[in-house]
Amino acid sequence: GENVEQHPSTLSVQEGDSAVIKCTYSDSASNYFPWYKQELGKGPQLIIDIRSNVGEKKDQRIAVTLNKTAKHFSLHITETQPEDSAVYFCAASNRDKIIFGKGTRLHILP
Amino acid sequence: EAGVAQSPRYKIIEKRQSVAFWCNPISGHATLYWYQQILGQGPKLLIQFQNNGVVDDSQLPKDRFSAERLKGVDSTLKIQPAKLEDSAVYLCASSPGLSYEQYFGPGTRLTVT
Repeated sequence: GENVEQHPSTLSVQEGDSAVIKCTYSDSASNYFPWYKQELGKGPQLIIDIRSNVGEKKDQRIAVTLNKTAKHFSLHITETQPEDSAVYFCAASNRDKIIFGKGTRLHILP
Repeated sequence: EAGVAQSPRYKIIEKRQSVAFWCNPISGHATLYWYQQILGQGPKLLIQFQNNGVVDDSQLPKDRFSAERLKGVDSTLKIQPAKLEDSAVYLCASSPGLSYEQYFGPGTRLTVT
């Protein structure tokens, strides 16, 4: 079955710097890769997603890249702000199943 | 557009007791998911409904967990009897269909003592 590995588990960056979170997946049938942001006491919120027919997608300060050959995808946050502090989850999905990574706790340092 | 609603938000029970959680998905969403999120981990899918039929319940501990989605709208998840290891946040999510973005509710934090 699908397995999703996410790194790092914790990331601290200075406000204004960039943050990168990486994920790998095992099932070549996976074709949908969402990223979620979870703040304390709330459910995960979709922030960006990418499908397997696209290599890169950008939305303002957030971008996701996908390398299907290597089976890895990454989240890039530029010009980080205090409100970016949260736990971020990647996930990999095919038609039948979605598997989440274990999460990255992002701290934005003042 | 109203989001996914869940209740209760918090629940504390003793082991061997039973508990039920309720979820109301976004209107029109055919697919509904229940996840278990243990502290420090990502959500783990328990059961997935398409309308009122079960698509995937392979990770649902069926000896103690049950779920239903009557009329293809609201859903309830029940645990009976609860164990200490069931302490977690139970998240409900809905989506327009399979392989579409999921929208999560705020979750129910369950503590089993």
